[in-house]
Amino acid sequence: EPEVTQTPSHQVTQMGQEVILRCVPISNHLYFYWYRQILGQKVEFLVSFYNNEISEKSEIFDDQFSVERPDGSNFTLKIRSTKLEDSAMYFCASSEARYPTIRNGYTFGSGTRLTVV
Amino acid sequence: AQRVTQPEKLLSVFKGAPVELKCNYSYSGSPELFWYVQYSRQRLQLLLRHISRESIKGFTADLNKGETSFHLKKPFAQEEDSAMYYCALKGPGGGNKLTFGTGTQLKVEL
Repeated sequence: EPEVTQTPSHQVTQMGQEVILRCVPISNHLYFYWYRQILGQKVEFLVSFYNNEISEKSEIFDDQFSVERPDGSNFTLKIRSTKLEDSAMYFCASSEARYPTIRNGYTFGSGTRLTVV
Repeated sequence: AQRVTQPEKLLSVFKGAPVELKCNYSYSGSPELFWYVQYSRQRLQLLLRHISRESIKGFTADLNKGETSFHLKKPFAQEEDSAMYYCALKGPGGGNKLTFGTGTQLKVEL
């Protein structure tokens, strides 16, 4: 079964440093997403991406965040200058259709745990 | 603003007992609701979508617009059902983002 792959599984970074989280979506999927989950809290939407541009973003996704699909297969989330409160599990997801159904719904990656120290 | 509420952080049941995981939502339009499951150290997986009548792993959920609820049910819990369950709402305005509840940890005891 096709999977969304995320690397690394765990990243530790110093406050103020830039970090790039990487995702390889499912190859025939067209819509890509990033979500995050702070420990003990709910999963929160960050951004959706389609046709090489952001289609929707949340209040969390401020100027410190950016996304890119640099080479047609990877989908990256960059945090420019990390803060302690950026520590969370970051999930990438992709979907084939604009309106995911039970058969072609979101497929989530297994997440990258980011720890900012 | 749209909101999803899962009032129980933890639900513990015995194997073979019925399960009901509660989900209430707040949404001004016509809601599209999902249940996601996360087994220990694994990724989020789509369990159920309210428009689909398909029952996944014996789970069902009925959308009750009057009570704004989408509770997840299973008549007989199995040990392998132990996981974190998230209710999610899609939208608003045709957007594709999901708004998640805080999740309920289901623990099935022998």
